[in-house]
Amino acid sequence: GAVVSQHPSWVICKSGTSVKIECRSLDFQATTMFWYRQFPKQSLMLMATSNEGSKATYEQGVEKDKFLINHASLTLSTLTVTSAHPEDSSFYICSLWGLQLNSPLHFGNGTRLTVT
Amino acid sequence: AQKITQTQPGMFVQEKEAVTLDCTYDTSDPSYGLFWYKQPSSGEMIFLIYQGSYDQQNATEGRYSLNFQKARKSANLVISASQLGDSAMYFCAMREGGNQGGKLIFGQGTELSVKP
Repeated sequence: GAVVSQHPSWVICKSGTSVKIECRSLDFQATTMFWYRQFPKQSLMLMATSNEGSKATYEQGVEKDKFLINHASLTLSTLTVTSAHPEDSSFYICSLWGLQLNSPLHFGNGTRLTVT
Repeated sequence: AQKITQTQPGMFVQEKEAVTLDCTYDTSDPSYGLFWYKQPSSGEMIFLIYQGSYDQQNATEGRYSLNFQKARKSANLVISASQLGDSAMYFCAMREGGNQGGKLIFGQGTELSVKP
């Protein structure tokens, strides 16, 4: 069954508005979650590492004030795209590691964001 | 800095034939993990196979096998007996530093098309 639940699966918003994406760990508590962004026909680019109870760690070039990450509980991380613009239109996908040794990274089903 | 490279943007294979998807990596960490994921057009990330840097044998999972050549820093995915449902994007990814936690960095991806 699914390990990670991500919501919404798609969203259309107007330029200048903010959008919140939720990522839930279903099977276990996750102190760390990862947020990726994927443009069409491109690879997954790591945006940030979400740490429960502390600040997220952002990758170089990712604006932390634009992409707000909140990991307030051990099962929920949220990504808020603030003041969205058309260039923020992308596929956002969250993930977390499994508990077993050598477990793969489990992914949510992603959120397709379109900013008009 | 870690780097992972997939040099084949697109590949074609005849149904029931085998195909090899290339992946090379670069890291100075002696402990790392290599992963392959499949991403169909729906966007979900499907874990296929894992190879640890200290694993003595090449990983296999059903029709998937990983041709791990440590000295050459390559981790090619071999899909045997291709099926139409194998048509998708395939990503190679690497995690540095041990068996758990850490960031997963992806290659550029290879789009595989299986011909009937």
